[in-house]
Amino acid sequence: SQQGEEDPQALSIQEGENATMNCSYKTSINNLQWYRQNSGRGLVHLILIRSNEREKHSGRLRVTLDTSKKSSSLLITASRAADTASYFCATVSGGSNYKLTFGKGTLLTVNP
Amino acid sequence: NAGVTQTPKFQVLKTGQSMTLQCAQDMNHNSMYWYRQDPGMGLRLIYYSASEGTTDKGEVPNGYNVSRLNKREFSLRLESAAPSQTSVYFCASSASGGAYGSSYEQYFGPGTRLTVT
Repeated sequence: SQQGEEDPQALSIQEGENATMNCSYKTSINNLQWYRQNSGRGLVHLILIRSNEREKHSGRLRVTLDTSKKSSSLLITASRAADTASYFCATVSGGSNYKLTFGKGTLLTVNP
Repeated sequence: NAGVTQTPKFQVLKTGQSMTLQCAQDMNHNSMYWYRQDPGMGLRLIYYSASEGTTDKGEVPNGYNVSRLNKREFSLRLESAAPSQTSVYFCASSASGGAYGSSYEQYFGPGTRLTVT
């Protein structure tokens, strides 16, 4: 069963704007990861945030984690057409240190 | 480094045929995984291998078998393909999960697009 649920399912913005995607999950986690998938390609890891962290940055990416609300958000600043992709959150829970459980993804379209 | 490689890239099977999807990684990772991706369903774990010599079922193992041939290679076999197995299959690998609370990113292959008619 899916652990994470991304919101919105699809998002369309103009180049230069910020994009925010949200992920909610059901059970307590060890960490939460965000991945990007370009059309027809495999997934690429973007960022990992542990359960004891609240915010993390990587370049134009900012991830927040609120364990009390069981939610995370991914912010992409100053978006570019090349950011067009599907974005997935994935969680690691309990004793399953090896297994990721993925959400269904947010399709981001950045229009030039 | 090639990372994670998968063969074949595309495959069409008839119902009842069998085939093996191959996966190899050159990053010396302990853990390897097989996922399937269907429209609107995200990725679902079929089988995984936490370390060489071990395999475990994931969320949707029915109709599949796996072999962890060595540390580098992890194959997925469909013994008798069914139309419900039409999907895109991804292999992934990661460093060992290690102690509780530590976990590592997964590296994905380019995928195999399988159609069963």
